[in-house]
Amino acid sequence: QITLKESGPTLVKPTQTLTLTCTFSGFSLRSSGVGVGWIRQPPGKALEWLALIYWDDDKRYSPSLRSRLTISKDTSKNQVVLTLTNMDPVDTATYYCAHRRDNSGDDYWGQGTLVTVSS
Amino acid sequence: QSVLTQPPSVSGAPGQRVIISCTGSSSNIGAGYHVHWYQQLPGTAPKLLIFANMNRPSGVPDRFSGSKSGTSASLAITGLQAEDEADYYCQSYDNTLSGFCVFGGGTKLTVL
Repeated sequence: QITLKESGPTLVKPTQTLTLTCTFSGFSLRSSGVGVGWIRQPPGKALEWLALIYWDDDKRYSPSLRSRLTISKDTSKNQVVLTLTNMDPVDTATYYCAHRRDNSGDDYWGQGTLVTVSS
Repeated sequence: QSVLTQPPSVSGAPGQRVIISCTGSSSNIGAGYHVHWYQQLPGTAPKLLIFANMNRPSGVPDRFSGSKSGTSASLAITGLQAEDEADYYCQSYDNTLSGFCVFGGGTKLTVL
């Protein structure tokens, strides 16, 4: 069965870089068509799509955050890492990672991790 | 403001039918990209409800259905139940700026 779990700091200071890790099981990022994406949700607000990496290392980024985001994968560890530079209080949100295959939507989600940006 | 536009809220009485719209443009829904729908209950991660415009994952009741036409898509919920009260999001792909996925702004469904 497919599971994903986000990990990383719960509190970061403004201007710092956030590094989040998505550790997954039940699938391989070597399999054709498979991807892992990151989505965030500020408290009480809507979902915001951030980035996606596919099995073939194809990457997509949100245009509004592209200059601050980097997504990478370590297939040997079954992990996907997201970095977001120059953190600001408006980046306070629950960050989710999710599995997708081909064009079938994000069908499995992690539980999410709340990241607070505060000095 | 999101690339995909949803009504902020809809409501209906138990047993009724409601429709949630998702309006895009020629660079996303209108370009033929699939639309997916998610349900988010309070305090939980989103759940995939409809994928590729009209397909239900295993376990999703057939009270939920999706459709797409032109630059818009819709989620219909029939036989409303109290447990359907949640936030609903559409998602698609946009082919501008090197391509990216995008969510609608979300719709809060209230069961009266």
